[in-house]
Amino acid sequence: DADVTQTPRNRITKTGKRIMLECSQTKGHDRMYWYRQDPGLGLRLIYYSFDVKDINKGEISDGYSVSRQAQAKFSLSLESAIPNQTALYFCATSPGTGFDTEAFFGQGTRLTVV
Amino acid sequence: GESVGLHLPTLSVQEGDNSIINCAYSNSASDYFIWYKQESGKGPQFIIDIRSNMDKRQGQRVTVLLNKTVKHLSLQIAATQPGDSAVYFCAEKRGFKTIFGAGTRLFVKA
Repeated sequence: DADVTQTPRNRITKTGKRIMLECSQTKGHDRMYWYRQDPGLGLRLIYYSFDVKDINKGEISDGYSVSRQAQAKFSLSLESAIPNQTALYFCATSPGTGFDTEAFFGQGTRLTVV
Repeated sequence: GESVGLHLPTLSVQEGDNSIINCAYSNSASDYFIWYKQESGKGPQFIIDIRSNMDKRQGQRVTVLLNKTVKHLSLQIAATQPGDSAVYFCAEKRGFKTIFGAGTRLFVKA
């Protein structure tokens, strides 16, 4: 089984709908992240959480919200989806020790907003 | 598989040759520089990192070079194999933030 699991893997939704992307991890890491990937661009950070009670905005948090339900679970919500939120979304974890350079990514969720 | 970048810089190499993937960075204050590999349909996977006070680090079949004078980072892959075909991202670590570059697509020709 994958250490970082994202559900769903693919989703098509309509403009204005609320949608939740879920992430769970078995690595026992405190730090979790949500990134967005668009064609020709690098990963951009949406939100991050360093423990269950900690939630922080990344560089592109507008239109998104998150919930850290447990150490192992971090979900991303689009309250009212719009077409320019069509992208590949990745959840990641890191141990938070040392310089914490290695992040572990899920397989991604391909979201299409029509 | 997933398309992670339709207009990425590309590098095409012959199987068995060495590959060199380049990256320019902008911030001299970065603590670490990191290379990730992303295969089609998968999430990025950590390859190797290098601390900002080093200029070279070697791993298994990979070497990262850091030239702080010109703010340039490179990843060298020895004896490139078909399984090395992927998109490669460089990233900078500044404090607790990781900033990713746009990526380079590596094609390995058999």
